Amino acid sequence: QVQLQQSGAELVKPGTSVKLSCKASGYTFTSNHMNWIKQTTGQGLEWIGIINPGSGGTSYNVKFKGKATLTVDKSSSTAFMQLSSLTPEDSAVYYCARSPRGDWRLDYWGQGVMVTVSS
Amino acid sequence: DIQMTQSPASLSASLEEIVTITCQASQDIGNWLAWYQQKPGKSPQLLIYGATSLADGVPSRFSGSRSGTQYSLKISRLQVEDPGIYYCLQGYSAPLTFGSGTKLEIK
Repeated sequence: QVQLQQSGAELVKPGTSVKLSCKASGYTFTSNHMNWIKQTTGQGLEWIGIINPGSGGTSYNVKFKGKATLTVDKSSSTAFMQLSSLTPEDSAVYYCARSPRGDWRLDYWGQGVMVTVSS
Repeated sequence: DIQMTQSPASLSASLEEIVTITCQASQDIGNWLAWYQQKPGKSPQLLIYGATSLADGVPSRFSGSRSGTQYSLKISRLQVEDPGIYYCLQGYSAPLTFGSGTKLEIK
């Protein structure tokens, strides 16, 4: 069965970076795009961007360009998102979510990872 | 960006009652609309895609409809396991955008 296993909660200091992971299993990793979504109480759900694991091609929400960098490691079927120059406004739960082949909908989601930015 | 205006923000209904949640798109998005349910501490779960198609494993009491740029999610007979926050999501154009959510409770 399709599973997306995300890394554990992070407590990080302002100005630093963090790299989140999302390990996929139960399907062909390179045949399905991977999305990243931010969830906060104040802003709700925000789509950060999408990566094609097969080609490495990416598309970002303009709001997150320069903040988020999406990559993959095909050998381990893992997607990554690096968040840079962290501020308290980056504190949120971050999800990875798969788009099925040839479709846009987000059909399977990771369990989410809480990132807290605090000094 | 396409704005998705979701209503109501919260809703309290009795068991077996019919519940309807709506999303209004700021422009034509065709059938590029999905609905999700999120329970506390969990990730969103896909209910409806393509505005009207039921996702695998989702009970048939959930249904989606479209009238122009207004989209609706209907729960035909509210069950005890249905409380949560419901979100719409448009996939017509990037960036994908979500509605603000509807918190559904049992009365």
